[in-house]
Amino acid sequence: AQSVTQLDSQVPVFEEAPVELRCNYSSSVSVYLFWYVQYPNQGLQLLLKYLSGSTLVKGINGFEAEFNKSQTSFHLRKPSVHISDTAEYFCAVSDLRNDYKLSFGAGTTVTVRA
Amino acid sequence: GAGVSQTPSNKVTEKGKYVELRCDPISGHTALYWYRQSLGQGPEFLIYFQGTGAADDSGLPNDRFFAVRPEGSVSTLKIQRTERGDSAVYLCASSERPGTAYNEQFFGPGTRLTVL
Repeated sequence: AQSVTQLDSQVPVFEEAPVELRCNYSSSVSVYLFWYVQYPNQGLQLLLKYLSGSTLVKGINGFEAEFNKSQTSFHLRKPSVHISDTAEYFCAVSDLRNDYKLSFGAGTTVTVRA
Repeated sequence: GAGVSQTPSNKVTEKGKYVELRCDPISGHTALYWYRQSLGQGPEFLIYFQGTGAADDSGLPNDRFFAVRPEGSVSTLKIQRTERGDSAVYLCASSERPGTAYNEQFFGPGTRLTVL
């Protein structure tokens, strides 16, 4: 079984400032890693995922994440946020055997202020 | 095109009652998933359908929970003898072809269930 820890429950940030959302996972086997975003009153939307290859993954809306196997981390970053990035962000993991089964962290609420 | 839809958006029921939650996946998606999101937590996997059959129901918490997908499209999550601890947002997702990490899961807006 695997688990995900999102280290910050809430992250306030000013518009045009950078943001980093931290995600650590625990697993005894190799994993796939995902970041989802949930805008107010909308369903979860995939931002990006790491399956294999380059450890730096670029996603939609200017987000990127870096897989660090030695630190079991998959932190999400954006160099300059907009008001529209206000949302809840979820890190998720699945193992290679049952890779459809996503295990989510508790989420990080990002509030962007002008 | 239309995304995943879920009905009702909100459901309030009394302890001990039976409820049904409906999910309409994206047309043509053969894989369908149910997750449950309790307050302050991330979604938790419940069940995965490939076509009409439940390929993995390991996340269903107990035998009060049951899900069907009789024609390989719409799915219904059924909860018997509801308990206050069942209060949560129930999320449905669908993906093309068999469920794998390579096929993106598209999520619906969820049904918020409140058991009084």
